[in-house]
Amino acid sequence: SAVISQKPSRDICQRGTSLTIQCQVDSQVTMMFWYRQQPGQSLTLIATANQGSEATYESGFVIDKFPISRPNLTFSTLTVSNMSPEDSSIYLCSAEPGTNTEAFFGQGTRLTVV
Amino acid sequence: RKEVEQDPGPFNVPEGATVAFNCTYSNSASQSFFWYRQDCRKEPKLLMSVYSSGNEDGRFTAQLNRASQYISLLIRDSKLSDSATYLCVVSPGGGTYKYIFGTGTRLKVLA
Repeated sequence: SAVISQKPSRDICQRGTSLTIQCQVDSQVTMMFWYRQQPGQSLTLIATANQGSEATYESGFVIDKFPISRPNLTFSTLTVSNMSPEDSSIYLCSAEPGTNTEAFFGQGTRLTVV
Repeated sequence: RKEVEQDPGPFNVPEGATVAFNCTYSNSASQSFFWYRQDCRKEPKLLMSVYSSGNEDGRFTAQLNRASQYISLLIRDSKLSDSATYLCVVSPGGGTYKYIFGTGTRLKVLA
């Protein structure tokens, strides 16, 4: 299993600003992912955070808006850039220790943009 | 057609009842299947993996039907603490690590 610490747990931000969310895993993991969960909705994958290379983004998500870093096998950040109220959501990071193993999640970041 | 479909519910059941959820998936090549539980304002947590032979963990039983492309979750003797949203998760496999999440089925166990 893996324990993931995600921070901040919540934030209220002004539109036009940026917020960086951090995820720290207690062990080395193969894959890390970033999701968004709108109220009452399921999880939507934003991107796969690749160690040592650019993240792989899903349709509808772009690097300029959601830059991601993954400097090593235990850490990743997601930045929500130039925020608007539509970015208000819960952002979750997840990690998979191995191929097709279960995914573990951080506690989530509840973002409100005003 | 969505890749993973679930009845959103809510399912309102009395304590002690047996309740079953189904989830259908569209990719016949999918390799891994899971049920996650998500409590309100919390992150999803793995409830159980779903194996081809089916598996049971206490009051919870999960089954996979590859021919009909659905998985199921059965909860026996429901407890108030079982109230949550249950997410069906499918991994396409084949070198793809992504997980596809269903919209979740909301369960409310009533006293």
